[in-house]
Amino acid sequence: SYVLTQPPSVSVAPEKTARITCEGNNIRSKSVHWYQQKPGQAPAVVIYHDSDRPPAIPERFSGSHSGNTATLTIARVEAGDEADYYCQVWDSTTNLWVFGGGTKLTVL
Amino acid sequence: EVRLVESGGGLVQPGGSLRLSCVVSGFTFRSYEMNWVRQAPGRGLEWVSYISSSSSHMYYADSVKGRFTISRDSAKNTLFLQMNGLGAEDTAVYYCARSGTYGDFDYWGQGTLVTVSA
Repeated sequence: SYVLTQPPSVSVAPEKTARITCEGNNIRSKSVHWYQQKPGQAPAVVIYHDSDRPPAIPERFSGSHSGNTATLTIARVEAGDEADYYCQVWDSTTNLWVFGGGTKLTVL
Repeated sequence: EVRLVESGGGLVQPGGSLRLSCVVSGFTFRSYEMNWVRQAPGRGLEWVSYISSSSSHMYYADSVKGRFTISRDSAKNTLFLQMNGLGAEDTAVYYCARSGTYGDFDYWGQGTLVTVSA
């Protein structure tokens, strides 16, 4: 089955740039979505279709992918960005949705 | 305003059954694909099941295949998840989520907690 691997945690100082990676075999051929989940809340999409942003999401959030790695980049990190982030793809081989294990972003 | 509201969670004994519901509003339910996603306490997200807009296609995670059944009632704007043969590993918050244009899950409910314990 298809596996997405994320680092368990990423720490960044305020106003710096956070990069959260998501590794998967030939992930560049798939459409990658990213979700933010704050404690006690349901997840919310922050990036869809690799690099598109929903209207309510700040431009500080961006997505990219190449080769076997997709990356969620958060520029000028704020305290309010502290959350768990998950990547997701559709595996057309098995008709299954796959989530990465999640990355806890800590703002120092 | 798009809303998804889950219900039906609770405490159930191992081997028991439970039926979750997700009532939606604010969009044309019959036009959208829908999903169930769960999250065990302190763990990550796990996709559970998908149903197409016409109910012609249903897919399941290997962990629930043969035990869970997804369905929908467009007349009632409601998504269902029938869960049988529940085990401790099924303890989780269960979310319903709408599939967006690119397959992302663009709207989520607030979740309903299922606890499997004797």
